[in-house]
Amino acid sequence: QVQLVESGGGVVQPGRSLRLSCAVSGFTFSNYGMHWVRQAPGKGLEWVAVISLDGTTAYYADSMKGRFTVSRDNSKSTLYLQMNSLSAEDTAVYYCARDRQDTALENWGQGTLVTVSS
Amino acid sequence: QSALTQPASVSGSPGQSISISCTGTSSDVGAYNYVSWYQQHPGKVPKLMIYEVSKRPSGVSNRFSGSKSGNTASLTISGLHVEDEADYYCSSYTSSSTWVFGGGTKLTVL
Repeated sequence: QVQLVESGGGVVQPGRSLRLSCAVSGFTFSNYGMHWVRQAPGKGLEWVAVISLDGTTAYYADSMKGRFTVSRDNSKSTLYLQMNSLSAEDTAVYYCARDRQDTALENWGQGTLVTVSS
Repeated sequence: QSALTQPASVSGSPGQSISISCTGTSSDVGAYNYVSWYQQHPGKVPKLMIYEVSKRPSGVSNRFSGSKSGNTASLTISGLHVEDEADYYCSSYTSSSTWVFGGGTKLTVL
């Protein structure tokens, strides 16, 4: 079955960087676009970024543009999110999700918690 | 990239029907039939309930339906069950090739 497993979350100091990973199984990773979505504690969902099947194209939410970079390694069936210049406002659970042919986010991982705190 | 507008909360009794609205702009909801809806129970992962405005993924009850008129989409749940109590989020593809979510609606089944 389709599985997405995020990792790399934890506590990080303001201004530092962190890289999240999302390892997938149960489907051909290279056939799907992939998203990152975050959810701050007690808040709603916030879309972060999407990357194309081959990794050549990516789009970002305005608030993350320039600080976050999404990438993928199709040989490892793994999605990444590089986050730089982190602030307390980036504290959230970060989910990866499989794109449904540009129409929806159809499968979600369990999420990984990122806490930005000194 | 302003969030789509949803009511903060709605409520209904078991067996009743409710609707949740999702208002965007001519650059997102009004521009594409790529509106989707997600259900999230407390502490759980979001689950896709509706995609392309009105289509249901396999396994989702036909009590859930979606529609759209202009810049506003709606999710309707008929024959409310207690287990439908959850947060619901709409989402839309945008003309900037990005995605945007609504602020979420808390459904209470009284």
